[in-house]
Amino acid sequence: AQSVTQPDIHITVSEGASLELRCNYSYGATPYLFWYVQSPGQGLQLLLKYFSGDTLVQGIKGFEAEFKRSQSSFNLRKPSVHWSDAAEYFCAVGAMEYGNKLVFGAGTILRVKS
Amino acid sequence: DVKVTQSSRYLVKRTGEKVFLECVQDMDHENMFWYRQDPGLGLRLIYFSYDVKMKEKGDIPEGYSVSREKKERFSLILESASTNQTSMYLCATRAGGPGELFFGEGSRLTVL
Repeated sequence: AQSVTQPDIHITVSEGASLELRCNYSYGATPYLFWYVQSPGQGLQLLLKYFSGDTLVQGIKGFEAEFKRSQSSFNLRKPSVHWSDAAEYFCAVGAMEYGNKLVFGAGTILRVKS
Repeated sequence: DVKVTQSSRYLVKRTGEKVFLECVQDMDHENMFWYRQDPGLGLRLIYFSYDVKMKEKGDIPEGYSVSREKKERFSLILESASTNQTSMYLCATRAGGPGELFFGEGSRLTVL
């Protein structure tokens, strides 16, 4: 069965520090992947997506992610975190072979220390 | 910009009541989805629809039904609400095929 794992439930970083949020997937097909962010009380907003091509993708708000097929990973990074980045982050994976239904990870809550 | 509107942001219902959650989108998207979000579980797919009058079960359809009579509107129905259906419900749309989802702001349902 398809699955998406975000190993870290909570992460706390200092403002200005770098950030990496992990995402691992288990899929029997060629996946496409997303990272979404959710601020408290809001819906989800797309940060970035990967379908094919360059495995390093740039997103909004200074985020980037790298697709590593050999490691089944799609980790999200930001070189310098701002207090406004505090939110919950979700990795999601889909595949045409599975009817394009997205499977979401459990989420990582990011706290930013000032 | 795609706008996905969920009619109720907060609802409080009693056990056994029938509950309707409505979702309307303004971008002529083919696909619509209902997810349930619970802490530590992420988003779980309840039902989805790839076309008008079409519906398919997601991963946790028990206790729910849906209706899509018009392309822009996708309703989630709880026939007899139970306390374990207390949750955040998120509607999402997609143009069709592989692609990103656009989400509404969510409906937080409390069943007493």
